[in-house]
Amino acid sequence: AQKVTQAQTEISVVEKEDVTLDCVYETRDTTYYLFWYKQPPSGELVFLIRRNSFDEQNEISGRYSWNFQKSTSSFNFTITASQVVDSAVYFCALSEAEGGATNKLIFGTGTLLAVQP
Amino acid sequence: ETGVTQSPTHLIKTRGQQVTLRCSSQSGHNTVSWYQQALGQGPQFIFQYYREEENGRGNFPPRFSGLQFPNYSSELNVNALELDDSALYLCASSLERTGEQFFGPGTRLTVL
Repeated sequence: AQKVTQAQTEISVVEKEDVTLDCVYETRDTTYYLFWYKQPPSGELVFLIRRNSFDEQNEISGRYSWNFQKSTSSFNFTITASQVVDSAVYFCALSEAEGGATNKLIFGTGTLLAVQP
Repeated sequence: ETGVTQSPTHLIKTRGQQVTLRCSSQSGHNTVSWYQQALGQGPQFIFQYYREEENGRGNFPPRFSGLQFPNYSSELNVNALELDDSALYLCASSLERTGEQFFGPGTRLTVL
């Protein structure tokens, strides 16, 4: 069965601190996608990244970086020099890779990040 | 290019009633997926529609049903509403069944 675990329910940091959000996943598939979404108070899910299971290179996009480690089934997300606008709930998700029957997403329970000024 | 839109934004119903939620997919997208997000939880997959047919369903009872129209817009219908159906309902569209999903703003349903 597929499962995504985000053990951190809430994290509070002060602006300009670095913060890492943890994500651990379970799947029997050999190919799959991993995602991170941001959900601000408005409720809309904002896509941040999609990573194919074959690509274990770490990725950096501005203040955001992602560390994918297949050996530990983890896909962690780091925000460098956090800002108040980063305050939101962040979800990690898993789906079948292309060639599967659907692209349904399996979400974790989310991590609420509060960045204090 | 118009993004995914959902209506209504908010809805209040009483237990036992029926509700219809609507979703317009992003231009060119032929697949719509629906998710239920209870307070404090991650979204849960309800079902997916591809070219007007159901293509996959999550662990939801039959009183949750859907439709997809020739223009690829979609409806989610819930019969015999229960208090636990109170949630944010998210719609996502994609190009083909395995494409990247783009989410709408959601409909917040409250069942009293």
